[in-house]
Amino acid sequence: RKEVEQDPGPFNVPEGATVAFNCTYSNSASQSFFWYRQDCRKEPKLLMSVYSSGNEDGRFTAQLNRASQYISLLIRDSKLSDSATYLCVVTRDTGRRALTFGSGTRLQVQP
Amino acid sequence: DTAVSQTPKYLVTQMGNDKSIKCEQNLGHDTMYWYKQDSKKFLKIMFSYNNKELIINETVPNRFSPKSPDKAHLNLHINSLELGDSAVYFCASSQGPMNTEAFFGQGTRLTVV
Repeated sequence: RKEVEQDPGPFNVPEGATVAFNCTYSNSASQSFFWYRQDCRKEPKLLMSVYSSGNEDGRFTAQLNRASQYISLLIRDSKLSDSATYLCVVTRDTGRRALTFGSGTRLQVQP
Repeated sequence: DTAVSQTPKYLVTQMGNDKSIKCEQNLGHDTMYWYKQDSKKFLKIMFSYNNKELIINETVPNRFSPKSPDKAHLNLHINSLELGDSAVYFCASSQGPMNTEAFFGQGTRLTVV
């Protein structure tokens, strides 16, 4: 079983739609959680951190459920510029300082 | 100025050759990484250095050897290149505990022919 699992998509949605991505992780000792965004042929960049209390950044909302080992990302009012691959990322364990990436969910927002 | 820069951006080489990829970060970070992104776009950690000390060495063939001359640089040398080494290699850096942001270089697209 992969450490971090995501639906690969692609998700094809019209502009203005709301879309949700889900992610599960296998290591209950995982400490920190993130969503990264990767545009085609570019490097990954941090989109937002994910906290147990949930957090929102403009049109983006991230949620963490530690009991279910589940992370979500909600994008409201999708823009064409949101088209990218969204990577669910967790830290592996303490002291080893490495991010473990899911394989990503591809989003295509269409006009 | 680019925060994490790696060179070259593209590398096409024949099987059996030896090649190096260089990485430099100007963020003052303590920790640097090499990740490999394969054809299925899966990003996997290869190595991590903290203040020039190797702290993570995943199951990577020993043909791959990282070198960190100082905490701002982490180079990757690959011996006897194989077709399966073709991938995009990303260098990254971060500061502090694991819940801090990692900054990635633009990637080196390696093609072995």
